Amino acid sequence: GDSVTQTEGPVTLSEGTSLTVNCSYETKQYPTLFWYVQYPGEGPQLLFKVPKANEKGSNRGFEATYNKEATSFHLQKASVQESDSAVYYCALSDTGYQNFYFGKGTSLTVIP
Amino acid sequence: EAAVTQSPRSKVAVTGGKVTLSCHQTNNHDYMYWYRQDTGHGLRLIHYSYVADSTEKGDIPDGYKASRPSQENFSLILELASLSQTAVYFCASSDWGLGVYEQYFGPGTRLTVL
Repeated sequence: GDSVTQTEGPVTLSEGTSLTVNCSYETKQYPTLFWYVQYPGEGPQLLFKVPKANEKGSNRGFEATYNKEATSFHLQKASVQESDSAVYYCALSDTGYQNFYFGKGTSLTVIP
Repeated sequence: EAAVTQSPRSKVAVTGGKVTLSCHQTNNHDYMYWYRQDTGHGLRLIHYSYVADSTEKGDIPDGYKASRPSQENFSLILELASLSQTAVYFCASSDWGLGVYEQYFGPGTRLTVL
């Protein structure tokens, strides 16, 4: 079945350093890939989505490239801020279906 | 803007008691979902629904029932609450069509079973 595996946390970084959260997926379909972010006390919210292979998504300085050959969708940011402290979820959904598969989440804490 | 609300926001229940968590969306979305969130497990799908008066089992349905009386409302019911059901529960909604649509989440309900 479909699955998503991502970097296990927690991850602690200093402000201004770079971030990479690895995400790998398994599916036999043609998925759309997502990154969600969850701030403390809130529900997850969409960071961005990428529906097509070899395309890049980005938002708020975060970016990820849909790599179909490597079945990966790694989240990157060049310089993190304290406000980026949150839990990040990688997810996939197969085209034509509305079932979502989430990774276990990666907790990020950024120290000023 | 899309809106999903949940009630109550937090609840303490006793083992063996009945618990009902409610979700309301004003997005006019067809799909609604219930997830539970636990440390180390992320988000796990309990039940979902794509039309009123119909529900489907997700990945971890045991011990939970769901009810979708209207397009806007979706409830999660724990008939006999157990300690293992202590978690944060999220409701979500999404549109449906030819593409893939993101899910919009509510703020969550923190359930503690004692």
